[in-house]
Order: sequence, then structure tokens, then C-alpha cells
Amino acid sequence: AQSVTQLGSHVSVSEGALVLLRCNYSSSVPPYLFWYVQYPNQGLQLLLKYTSAATLVKGINDFEAEFKKSETSFHLTKPSAHMSDAAEYFCAVSGDGGFKTIFGAGTRLFVKA
Amino acid sequence: GAVVSQHPSRVICKSGTSVKIECRSLDFQATTMFWYRQFPKQSLMLMATSNEGSKATYEQGVEKDKFLINHASLTLSTLTVTSAHPEDSSFYICSAKTGESYEQYFGPGTRLTVT
Repeated sequence: AQSVTQLGSHVSVSEGALVLLRCNYSSSVPPYLFWYVQYPNQGLQLLLKYTSAATLVKGINDFEAEFKKSETSFHLTKPSAHMSDAAEYFCAVSGDGGFKTIFGAGTRLFVKA
Repeated sequence: GAVVSQHPSRVICKSGTSVKIECRSLDFQATTMFWYRQFPKQSLMLMATSNEGSKATYEQGVEKDKFLINHASLTLSTLTVTSAHPEDSSFYICSAKTGESYEQYFGPGTRLTVT
């Protein structure tokens, strides 16, 4: 079975500050890991994905995440927050057969001017 | 590439009626489509998985007679909410994948309001 835990339902940062959104996973098989962003009343947009290649994954809009097997973590970072980054972020895990994707509860990112 | 559309984007229906939501993969063949439900300020809950030409596989607790899923072609899946009630009001999102890839491509969602 697989599961995802996102630490912090809300994160608030100032514009220009570092963004860090935490995600820990549990998986009995090598996982595929994803970060998605969702703006109000919209679907999910893929930010980046880990599929067993490089452990440091770079995505769109300067987001990146590092897969750390020893810590079972896949935290999302961005060096400098923009107001437009304010949204809901979901970490997700897959790879445990059936092609299902398990989503975390989500983290709402607030960016202060 | 890999665009998924949903129609309608918003629908309001009266209690007791049925409503159909379409999910289309516009530029690829979707061997598998997924239907999710999302309540306000919550995560996505997988409702069912459908493979083209096969019956959908529903998650535990999801009424298959209420949420009818049809995946008749490699580019179209439909979700029909039958005899809708106000508690069925929600944001419904579909996604699609192809082949052996684990990456899913998401539609923009459909906001259903049952009055």
C-alpha cells in the first residue's frame, strides 16, 4: 500500500522568500512521486515528477524537489516566491500496481507582499 | 501535448435528475481514465478507474449504480450522476493516462451543483 503525508495544511511566506512544502511517502515498491498545483476551480497542473532517474528533479516555474529514500521524503522547494505561486499544492505517489495515484491532503501556500 | 478536456465546466441540476460529464483526451489515446471527486478545501478522492472497452473499477464506498462510468473509446469517458441529490454537489475531475506510464493528465474539472 502507498500513502502520502503533507506536513502543514497551510504555509505562508513573503514574496521573494524560500518556499518549502513538505511531503513524506510510504511505499512498498519503488515509488513514482509527483507534485501538482491547483488554482481555484481548476484542475491539477503537474509541477514535476520523480520516476527513478535523478533524485533532484527540476520542474516548471523554478520549482524543484529532491527524492530522499532514506527519509522517504520528496519536499518541494522554490528559491523565491511570487504572488502567483499562491495556490494549493498536492504531493502524490504511484507505482503500486493498477496505476492508481494516491494524493496527499494538500498544502495551501499563501504569499505575502 | 497531453491535453484533457471536460464538459461542462459548470452544471446546475435539480434534485432527482441525471447529469452527464464528459472527459476527452484531445491529442492522445487514453487507455485508462480516472474519475475523482473533490470537496471544498480537500484532496482528490478517487472514485473509479476505467479502461477502454471494460467496465469501470469503483473504489470502496462509491455507488456504481449512482455514478455510471462509460469509457467507450480511447478518447472519451463519461460520468453520469443518476438521480442527483444536493450531497452529490462537488467538483469532479477526470484524468487520463496512456500505456504503461504512471503520469496522469488532468482535466480542468466540472463543478456540479444540485439544487
